[in-house]
Amino acid sequence: DQQVKQNSPSLSVQEGRISILNCDYTNSMFDYFLWYKKYPAEGPTFLISISSIKDKNEDGRFTVFLNKSAKHLSLHIVPSQPGDSAVYFCAASAGTGTASKLTFGTGTRLQVTL
Amino acid sequence: EAGVAQSPRYKIIEKRQSVAFWCNPISGHATLYWYQQILGQGPKLLIQFQNNGVVDDSQLPKDRFSAERLKGVDSTLKIQPAKLEDSAVYLCASSLWAGTGELFFGEGSRLTVL
Repeated sequence: DQQVKQNSPSLSVQEGRISILNCDYTNSMFDYFLWYKKYPAEGPTFLISISSIKDKNEDGRFTVFLNKSAKHLSLHIVPSQPGDSAVYFCAASAGTGTASKLTFGTGTRLQVTL
Repeated sequence: EAGVAQSPRYKIIEKRQSVAFWCNPISGHATLYWYQQILGQGPKLLIQFQNNGVVDDSQLPKDRFSAERLKGVDSTLKIQPAKLEDSAVYLCASSLWAGTGELFFGEGSRLTVL
């Protein structure tokens, strides 16, 4: 049962353009969402997060949008840079404290071309 | 600040053999996680420790996998006996406390079972 889904395994975007990575979830108990970025042979690194009480969170070139009614979130990268080429994982958690745990999607590989 | 350290980075074994992975989390981080990432999938939580106590091991195949975190600092994950389907990257992560969602990952230990 895949509770967090990233239906696009890969995405190619030209440098300077906008990259939009999508994520859908099925568990209505999820209330905190995160994006992680992973380069080859490295562990994932935290990128940006959003709480379910918000619908948008922005950090520099990265913006995450949350649509709770559609159980959908997206990560926008503007402008895209070659260094953004990596695998992006969407993750979600429910509850707080020791009871919460992250459920990850399968990842989307972003390639930013020159 | 030193990151999460893991060893070995790579391990190749034959099925039915045993293997152990070691993790040293970021200093002061109370929560430690072991994730399994199979090729093409997102990381899956195997076990979560809060200090030296187990918080969640519901997805740990306990007939062959074991983990411990003595003294609430570093941790070992053992597989005995290994199966072909255990081939994966084993990621260790830590966080200040559970529930923040912002995990810091190590580089991972890649296991190949032949």
